Amino acid sequence: DIVMIQSPDSLAASLGERATINCKSSQSVLNSCSNNYCLSWFQQKPGRPPKLLIYWASTREYGVPERFSGSGSGTDFTLTISSLQAEDVAVYYCLQFSGSPPMFTFGQGTKLEIK
Amino acid sequence: QVQLQQSGPGLLKPSQTLSLTCAISGDSVSANNVAWNWIRQSPSRGLEWLGRTYYTSRWHNDYAFSVKSRITISPDTSRNQFSLQLNSLTPDDTAVYYCARGIVSTFDVWDQGTMVTVSS
Repeated sequence: DIVMIQSPDSLAASLGERATINCKSSQSVLNSCSNNYCLSWFQQKPGRPPKLLIYWASTREYGVPERFSGSGSGTDFTLTISSLQAEDVAVYYCLQFSGSPPMFTFGQGTKLEIK
Repeated sequence: QVQLQQSGPGLLKPSQTLSLTCAISGDSVSANNVAWNWIRQSPSRGLEWLGRTYYTSRWHNDYAFSVKSRITISPDTSRNQFSLQLNSLTPDDTAVYYCARGIVSTFDVWDQGTMVTVSS
């Protein structure tokens, strides 16, 4: 089974500061998404479903603020919030798709708070 | 604008079968390049993908290993919806259940979720 490990489990940063969340996969997924990495990032606030922020490792979903960016390759990926806003307090998850056999695996989540 | 609306019971007993339905508006259950998924979330298991159904010349289903022996996901083209059946429930199946649209290997539209409790 593919395992996705996020770090840190929780993070506190000041308003305006940069926040970085990491996601490490036990298996690369380049070949499952037409030469794109099958890695996406979600934001979840209490009582709400997850919201898609980034897909294909670095493509921002329509309407997502530019302060959110994704990067990485192989098995190591990063979500960066360039200037933390109060509304960014949430739990963030990474998600990997692998095509053979078809399977989706979430990371365990990273809780982001304001310091 | 695509919207998903889920319906189904919230309280079940061990060994019973969970049946949930997800109604689609703004898209088609038969659309190409789209998959219709069930996902659940619990404190003990986190976010867990359960399975999906999608149409490309014929209907396909993929299921997570953890539930493969107990799950069925079915499309209903006449009502433009899809359903989840999960049998032989145990308390470990207690979770918030979501239906979600799948595109380009991720999930872009989710419903609000339904809390399902399995308890005697």
